[in-house]
Amino acid sequence: GDSVTQMEGPVTLSEEAFLTINCTYTATGYPSLFWYVQYPGEGLQLLLKATKADDKGSNKGFEATYRKETTSFHLEKGSVQVSDSAVYFCALSWGGATNKLIFGTGTLLAVQP
Amino acid sequence: EADIYQTPRYLVIGTGKKITLECSQTMGHDKMYWYQQDPGMELHLIHYSYGVNSTEKGDLSSESTVSRIRTEHFPLTLESARPSHTSQYLCASMRQNYGYTFGSGTRLTVV
Repeated sequence: GDSVTQMEGPVTLSEEAFLTINCTYTATGYPSLFWYVQYPGEGLQLLLKATKADDKGSNKGFEATYRKETTSFHLEKGSVQVSDSAVYFCALSWGGATNKLIFGTGTLLAVQP
Repeated sequence: EADIYQTPRYLVIGTGKKITLECSQTMGHDKMYWYQQDPGMELHLIHYSYGVNSTEKGDLSSESTVSRIRTEHFPLTLESARPSHTSQYLCASMRQNYGYTFGSGTRLTVV
């Protein structure tokens, strides 16, 4: 079945460091891909998305490009801040009736000042 | 501002009690979902609904039940809580092409 694999955390970085969180997916066809962020004690917020191959999603300095050849959707940010500390989830979804989201296991990011 | 509301935020309850977790959204979305988030952070779909009077079980078997009598309301009920039900429960609604909106979650502890 469809699945999403994320790099395990925690990822610990110093402020202003470059961030990459790897995400790969297994699916037949081309689903929509998402990154969600969960701050401590909160629900999930959509960070960015891409709906077709080669699309680049971006928001708040974060970027991810939908790569069908490598079935990947890696999250990147050029300079992280302490306020970026959170759990990041990669997810995929199909259109149609159910629109269920299939999540990766989440990656905890801790940014130190 | 949150357009989807979950109550309570935190709940500690004894084994065997019946509980209902509330979820309401003001966006008129037809599709709603319940996810269970375990302490290891993984999210598992336990219930979803396409609209009023429609409910389906998700990918993870759950002893909870749901109802959808009104578009805006999607409560989750546990008839007899057990310690194994201790988890965070996240409600979400979805509009086509706009994606999901998640509530802040209910953190349930069964003692």
